[in-house]
Amino acid sequence: DAGVIQSPRHEVTEMGQEVTLRCKPISGHDYLFWYRQTMMRGLELLIYFNNNVPIDDSGMPEDRFSAKMPNASFSTLKIQPSEPRDSAVYFCASSLWRRGQPQHFGDGTRLSIL
Amino acid sequence: ILNVEQSPQSLHVQEGDSTNFTCSFPSSNFYALHWYRWETAKSPEALFVMTLNGDEKKKGRISATLNTKEGYSYLYIKGSQPEDSATYLCAFSYNTGNQFYFGTGTSLTVIP
Repeated sequence: DAGVIQSPRHEVTEMGQEVTLRCKPISGHDYLFWYRQTMMRGLELLIYFNNNVPIDDSGMPEDRFSAKMPNASFSTLKIQPSEPRDSAVYFCASSLWRRGQPQHFGDGTRLSIL
Repeated sequence: ILNVEQSPQSLHVQEGDSTNFTCSFPSSNFYALHWYRWETAKSPEALFVMTLNGDEKKKGRISATLNTKEGYSYLYIKGSQPEDSATYLCAFSYNTGNQFYFGTGTSLTVIP
């Protein structure tokens, strides 16, 4: 089975541009998580979905960030407009809600905003 | 904000040394404790999941223990090898949801 697939792997864009990160979770998983990795704060949870419904978006830093999950096999994280301080690695993870099930991470998107 | 603490923050050991690190978490409403291995430029990879007080898990030279009453878990690496160099993350979940609360990790460097 393919793991969690994220695209693009790298994104370099100029400040003010819209950025869209994509994630395909593992088939059959009912939870999907978006994380951001920074040097200062480590791995921080931005938002997570259960059965395509956003459950907790309290980690989304600002209104410039939005996330959607239109179906069970696809999610997007959008930043509009982007700023240099958004530069980070963004990870998507998926899991089954069963006790003891780990979250499976994608390879991440390295985002650089110039 | 839930506090999951890991110590030490970083560790340098010689090849062949054994080492261990700690993850501390709230002792109430425990559901599961996860350990991940995170190599530079890669994604976190699940190592262990522990759900019961007293659980011990082992994978090769790496093992972990769990004490839910006092809120800590230890990860042990026996005879460290350079390929063990990575950041080791623990993540805690409550029995009320599927959200993981990650620690900031222990960065291990094994010197050949």
